Parts: sequence; structure tokens; C-alpha cells
Amino acid sequence: GIQVEQSPPDLILQEGANSTLRCNFSDSVNNLQWFHQNPWGQLINLFYIPSGTKQNGRLSATTVATERYSLLYISSSQTTDSGVYFCAVERSNDMRFGAGTRLTVKP
Amino acid sequence: IAGITQAPTSQILAAGRRMTLRCTQDMRHNAMYWYRQDLGLGLRLIHYSNTAGTTGKGEVPDGYSVSRANTDDFPLTLASAVPSQTSVYFCASKPSGPGELFFGEGSRLTVL
Repeated sequence: GIQVEQSPPDLILQEGANSTLRCNFSDSVNNLQWFHQNPWGQLINLFYIPSGTKQNGRLSATTVATERYSLLYISSSQTTDSGVYFCAVERSNDMRFGAGTRLTVKP
Repeated sequence: IAGITQAPTSQILAAGRRMTLRCTQDMRHNAMYWYRQDLGLGLRLIHYSNTAGTTGKGEVPDGYSVSRANTDDFPLTLASAVPSQTSVYFCASKPSGPGELFFGEGSRLTVL
């Protein structure tokens, strides 16, 4: 199956800092999403972004499908951004997840 | 409110017992998925179904079975639970083809 790698595995930021999370995948995909898992375990959709760039408030994402990677940008981070960020890709009828990036934003 | 409902929310189970985790969605999505999440390992796909009447194996299918009798329901069964199946289980669904994946709230299962 397709391999999904996320980096960095862990990230600690001071409130107000910016960050970039990366997702690499091993084959062409027809679907890519970013999720945030909050401290209560809920998985929240951030972006559905198989290609191109999208922005939603302080968050934006870019997927370069031809080069098999996606980036999630978090600007002016807040403590509520803490949690685990997952990238998920779809190819051949199943969706596979990366291991996630655990983000801690300190006040 | 439209979405995915999982039951039970939490369960403690003796090893060797049979257990079915229920998942129902009301979004008329054709594709449904079961994942398990273990500390440090992210989400791993157990089984999926692209449409009613069909199912497929994911990354970690052993010890689990699923059925898809209709569009809305996708139960996951552990025929004889073992302690290594202690995990948080998430059900998810999406429309056919490219589209957003939505998750249920999860079911925490402990096998003793």
C-alpha cells in the first residue's frame, strides 16, 4: 500500500510562532486531507486538498501532487492549536494516514 | 444533526469474548471505513467498504470482520477478543470517489 510520512513527529512552539508541517507520500493519490485531533480525541477536518492551495483563517495548505507532498502552515499559533495533525491520502479505494505531528503550543 | 454515530463509546471486555462495534451514518455516503488508533502509531485501516454489499481489507484486518448490508451501517466484529485489540476504534465515511472523510467520535475498547 501507499506510504505516508509526516514530519516533524513532534513540534513545540511558543504562542504566536509560525510553523510548517510536511506530508510526503509514495505514489500518486486522488485524495488528500489534513486533520487535527484535539486533546479530547476528536478528529476534525482541516482541508480537503488533493492539489493546489487553500486557506482558512490562520491555517493554509498546499499540495504539489506531481512531487508527492503536502504542506500545512499554521501562522500566529495559539494554545488551542495543540494536538496531533494527520495527513491522509487515498489511492485504490482505501485511505491511509501518516503517523502524525504532535504540536504543543506554549503560552 | 447529520453525522456518524458509534456505539458503545467505551467498553471493557474479557479476552475470548465476541464484540461488535456499531457504526451508523446518515449522510448517504457510499464509502465507510474502520480504523484503530494506538498510542504513537496513528490511525491504521482495518477494513473498508466502497458501497453496500462490498468490503475490503486494510492494513490490519486480522481478528476483525465487517459487513455492509445497507448504506448506513458498517459494524465491526471481534470474534474472539485478545488484549492486543485494546485500542480506540474510529468509524469514518465519505462519498464515492474523491471527497472529504468524516469521522465518528470513536469507541474505546479495553480487552483484559
